[in-house]
Amino acid sequence: KQEVTQIPAALSVPEGENLVLNCSFTDSAIYNLQWFRQDPGKGLTSLLLIQSSQREQTSGRLNASLDKSSGRSTLYIAASQPGDSATYLCAVYNNNDMRFGAGTRLTVKP
Amino acid sequence: NAGVTQTPKFQVLKTGQSMTLQCAQDMNHEYMSWYRQDPGMGLRLIHYSVGAGITDQGEVPNGYNVSRSTTEDFPLRLLSAAPSQTSVYFCASSYSRAGAYEQYFGPGTRLTVT
Repeated sequence: KQEVTQIPAALSVPEGENLVLNCSFTDSAIYNLQWFRQDPGKGLTSLLLIQSSQREQTSGRLNASLDKSSGRSTLYIAASQPGDSATYLCAVYNNNDMRFGAGTRLTVKP
Repeated sequence: NAGVTQTPKFQVLKTGQSMTLQCAQDMNHEYMSWYRQDPGMGLRLIHYSVGAGITDQGEVPNGYNVSRSTTEDFPLRLLSAAPSQTSVYFCASSYSRAGAYEQYFGPGTRLTVT
C-alpha cells in the first residue's frame, strides 16, 4: 500500500528566504507526482506535475524534483513571499489511485 | 470554462439521512474522482470513474455510492449519513486515466453529520 509522508508538518520562515518542502513515498512504481497548494477553506490548485520519467519541473519561483528510486520529491520555493503562505500537498498517482500526503503548512512572515 | 463545480458548499445532516453531493466538469475529462479530507490525514480517494458508465472503488468507499451517466457529471450519494462522514469532500477531474495529466479540483463541500 502506497504511503506518502510530508515533513515538516508546519514551517514558518521570514519573507525572502529560500525553502524546501519534502515528500516521501513508499512505492516507487508511480506514473507521476503532483504538488498542490491549498488555501484555507479552499480547494486544491495544481502547482507542478512531474512525470515518472522526469527528474524535475520548474514554474516561476517553484522547482520540484523527483527521485523515484529513493521515493523522494522536494518542492523548492525561491525568495518566499507572504502570499506563498498556504498548505502544500504532494500526491503520487498510480493505476487510477492518487495518494496524498497530509501536507506542510507554510507561513511566510513579512 | 467553469472547471469543476460542486454543490452544495455546506451541508448539515442528521444521522441516518441521505443526500447527494453534485459534481460537474465542463472540460470533457474522462477521469473523475471523489476524495474526502480530514484533519491531519490528507485526502483519501472514495470512488473514481474512468468514463461514462464506468466506476470503481477507491481507498474508503464504504457508505458512499456513485454513478456516471454522462461525461460531465459524477454525483456522490451518502446512503445513511453517520458522524464519521463529517468531512470536506472534493471532486476532481483529469483528461485521462493514464496519469499523465493534471488533476483539477472543485472548491469542496463541507459536510457535518450530527
